[in-house]
Amino acid sequence: NAGVTQTPKFQVLKTGQSMTLQCAQDMNHEYMSWYRQDPGMGLRLIHYSVGAGITDQGEVPNGYNVSRSTTEDFPLRLLSAAPSQTSVYFCASRRGRTSDTQYFGPGTRLTVL
Amino acid sequence: DAKTTQPTSMDCAEGRAANLPCNHSTISGNEYVYWYRQIHSQGPQYIIHGLKNNETNEMASLIITEDRKSSTLILPHATLRDTAVYYCIVRVTGNQFYFGTGTSLTVIP
Repeated sequence: NAGVTQTPKFQVLKTGQSMTLQCAQDMNHEYMSWYRQDPGMGLRLIHYSVGAGITDQGEVPNGYNVSRSTTEDFPLRLLSAAPSQTSVYFCASRRGRTSDTQYFGPGTRLTVL
Repeated sequence: DAKTTQPTSMDCAEGRAANLPCNHSTISGNEYVYWYRQIHSQGPQYIIHGLKNNETNEMASLIITEDRKSSTLILPHATLRDTAVYYCIVRVTGNQFYFGTGTSLTVIP
């Protein structure tokens, strides 16, 4: 299993540009999440999904959209990038039972100029 | 809202036990305590979790107080590769994992 994969690893955007961060998992996990981590901070939950076709907001959802058309994929869309969205983005998945652990991807480092 | 409180940083001598405390005084009865660590800005790595009882696995031990308001992660024989930021996380029902700022553990040779 590849686990949780994320692309790209690095991205530089200009203010106002849009882009999609890709996340995929091959463990047949029901739950997937997106977090952002700012320098010196812990991770904050952006959006999450408890299954295909179901998404919900986390702590910091503004400026981001998600969709979950398949179990494997959970892309994160930035519609109009802002410098405040400069961060490292982590995708995570877990099987879905009460005490399941989360598996994290390697992260995408995004800079918005 | 912050769900956990941890010291900002700690040092530990190589080969000694590292004891990392966490306060979660507002924890609810159905909330688990998870510990993750993050090395060099990689994706966080699962260590251990528990609800009420103490837990042990190949990486660490988790001691939860009887009132569940605090816990301690124990790395029994710290190595240089254990240098990382350690996050104590209270998991609520659903998919809400609340990460704090964590404890930066430095293992000293």
